[in-house]
Amino acid sequence: EVQLVESGGGLVQPGGSLRLSCAASGFTFGSYSMNWVRQAPGKGLEWVSYITTTSSTMYYADSVKGRFTISRDNAKNSLYLQMNSLRDEDTALYYCARSGVVMTGPPEFWGQGTLVIVSS
Amino acid sequence: DIQMTQSPSSLSASVGDRVTITCRASQTIINFLNWYQQRPGKPPKLLIFAASNLQGGVPSRFSGSGSGTDFTLTISNLQPEDFATYYCLQTYSAPSITFGQGTRLELK
Repeated sequence: EVQLVESGGGLVQPGGSLRLSCAASGFTFGSYSMNWVRQAPGKGLEWVSYITTTSSTMYYADSVKGRFTISRDNAKNSLYLQMNSLRDEDTALYYCARSGVVMTGPPEFWGQGTLVIVSS
Repeated sequence: DIQMTQSPSSLSASVGDRVTITCRASQTIINFLNWYQQRPGKPPKLLIFAASNLQGGVPSRFSGSGSGTDFTLTISNLQPEDFATYYCLQTYSAPSITFGQGTRLELK
């Protein structure tokens, strides 16, 4: 069974940093590209970032570019999101999601999310 | 960037009804359009991929159609568990993907 379990969320002040983790199991983690998607309270879904299987290429939404860094450790079956210079508008539930077999395939498997609250 | 516009933003219906949700892309996305269902407190669940293909395990009362810029999700014979929020997602410009703003389906 595919499982994705996010952790690392919490309350942080504006300008602060946080590192999210996503532990994967039930599939060959190193064979799939991965995403972070977020959802502000009561709002819709927003794609945040994407990383290829070998970490050769990373992509970011304009809203987080230059502040967030996605990474992965295939030996540890883990995905990460380093978030710096956090803003109020980064407050959201952050999901990790496994990409499809091909890049244009939709994310099929999602974790339960970890909540990040940016507030003073 | 490709913008996705869903309508309506909310919808009231009764058990047994047939409802349709539409999604329009700001440019052609061929058939790289997918539909998700999200229940409160849960992550999104993939229902339909590539505009019209039913994901495994999804009931056949869900169907999708469309190509180019205009797409629809139809739910026939609404069941109590179908009252949720639905999102479209374009993957034409993957890995930079875009969701619609969501349609909340409520019990009348």
